[in-house]
Amino acid sequence: EPEVTQTPSHQVTQMGQEVILRCVPISNHLYFYWYRQILGQKVEFLVSFYNNEISEKSEIFDDQFSVERPDGSNFTLKIRSTKLEDSAMYFCASSEFGSGGVTDTQYFGPGTRLTVL
Amino acid sequence: DQQVKQNSPSLSVQEGRISILNCDYTNSMFDYFLWYKKYPAEGPTFLISISSIKDKNEDGRFTVFLNKSAKHLSLHIVPSQPGDSAVYFCAARGTSGGSYIPTFGRGTSLIVHP
Repeated sequence: EPEVTQTPSHQVTQMGQEVILRCVPISNHLYFYWYRQILGQKVEFLVSFYNNEISEKSEIFDDQFSVERPDGSNFTLKIRSTKLEDSAMYFCASSEFGSGGVTDTQYFGPGTRLTVL
Repeated sequence: DQQVKQNSPSLSVQEGRISILNCDYTNSMFDYFLWYKKYPAEGPTFLISISSIKDKNEDGRFTVFLNKSAKHLSLHIVPSQPGDSAVYFCAARGTSGGSYIPTFGRGTSLIVHP
C-alpha cells in the first residue's frame, strides 16, 4: 500500500540553526500538507501546497517557515532559525483531491521529531 | 480556540467491551467529520468519517454517530480489541467555501486491556 515517508525520524538542532524536514508524498497525490504536534497538544495545521505554490497557511507558518517541492517526489519544510518552541513532531500529509474533493482524505507520514536545544 | 474538543484525555476498556470516544465542536460551518487513529512513532491513520447529511456511519467494528443539534459526535468500537489501543483524534472541516483543512482535537488515548 502506498504511504507517505518522512526523513529524518528524529532531528536534534541548536537554537538558531536551520533545519530541513523531508517528505515523500504518495505518488499520485496532488496536495501536500505539513502539520505539527507539540507534545501533549493537538495536531496543528501549518501549510498546504498545490501546483507548486502555497494554497493555505496558518498563523503559525510565519516567515521562519518555507516549503518547497524541489523535484517530482520530495516535499520539504524549512525552518530558517529554530526556536525552542519549534520542538514538536512534524507530520507531512498528502491527499489526492484537496479542496476539490468533499470526501478527500489526508494520508499522514510517520513524522519527524524535532528537538531544539 | 478549541473548535474541536475531546474532553477525555484517556479511556480504559476491557477487551470485548464497547469503547465510546466523544468529540464536541463549536464551529457551525463544520459539516464533515473524521476520526484518525495514531500508534506511537506513527502518523495519524484515517479511520472513518461522516458527513453532516448523515447521523450514523458504520464500518466493521467502528461506528460514528453525529448529533448536529448538540454539535457532538462519538466513535463506538465494538468489540474492543487490544490492538485498538492508540490515540484517537477527532477532526472536523467544512466542505463548501472557506477552508477545507481539518481542525483536530487533542486526542483521546484508548487502552484496551486483555
